[in-house]
Amino acid sequence: DAGVIQSPRHEVTEMGQEVTLRCKPISGHNSLFWYRQTMMRGLELLIYFNNNVPIDDSGMPEDRFSAKMPNASFSTLKIQPSEPRDSAVYFCASSFSGSGANVLTFGAGSRLTVL
Amino acid sequence: GENVEQHPSTLSVQEGDSAVIKCTYSDSASNYFPWYKQELGKRPQLIIDIRSNVGEKKDQRIAVTLNKTAKHFSLHITETQPEDSAVYFCAPRGNGGYQKVTFGTGTKLQVIP
Repeated sequence: DAGVIQSPRHEVTEMGQEVTLRCKPISGHNSLFWYRQTMMRGLELLIYFNNNVPIDDSGMPEDRFSAKMPNASFSTLKIQPSEPRDSAVYFCASSFSGSGANVLTFGAGSRLTVL
Repeated sequence: GENVEQHPSTLSVQEGDSAVIKCTYSDSASNYFPWYKQELGKRPQLIIDIRSNVGEKKDQRIAVTLNKTAKHFSLHITETQPEDSAVYFCAPRGNGGYQKVTFGTGTKLQVIP
């Protein structure tokens, strides 16, 4: 398995532009998490899905952020419009939430810079 | 939601010494207690975990101890090496697909050669 695949790895955009981050979880995993990491705020959970259904989006900063998981092998995190304070590394992670298995496997992250 | 705190936030040790990082959590339903290591510029990766029916687990130079009554668990690294320098996160959670995974604030460990 190639692990959790995220794209793009790096994105530089201008304030006001739409940003779409993509994630392919590990095949067979049924939970998917989006995190944002900054020096000031650490690893923040934005939203998580179980069996493609959003369970908790209370960490999503504001309405400019949205996430979808149309099927078990794909998820997107969208920011529209983007702002400089959204600059961060965004990680996607997946796990199999079954009996005794709770390990999160992270993707390599998407580094977003909003100018 | 789960409140997760780690102490200390930074830790410097001489190579060969031991390091201990403590994680305190609030949700008494938590039953899975992992530690993740994040090297500079890399993704977090699981290094050791423990379940609530076990008090201690060791894997070579690293160990995790759990005190469920006091709601804390600790990471122990012995004979530290420069490659142990990283940020360490705890992420206690319950079982099942409806449990948030909240990471601690992180502990930056520096091992001085």
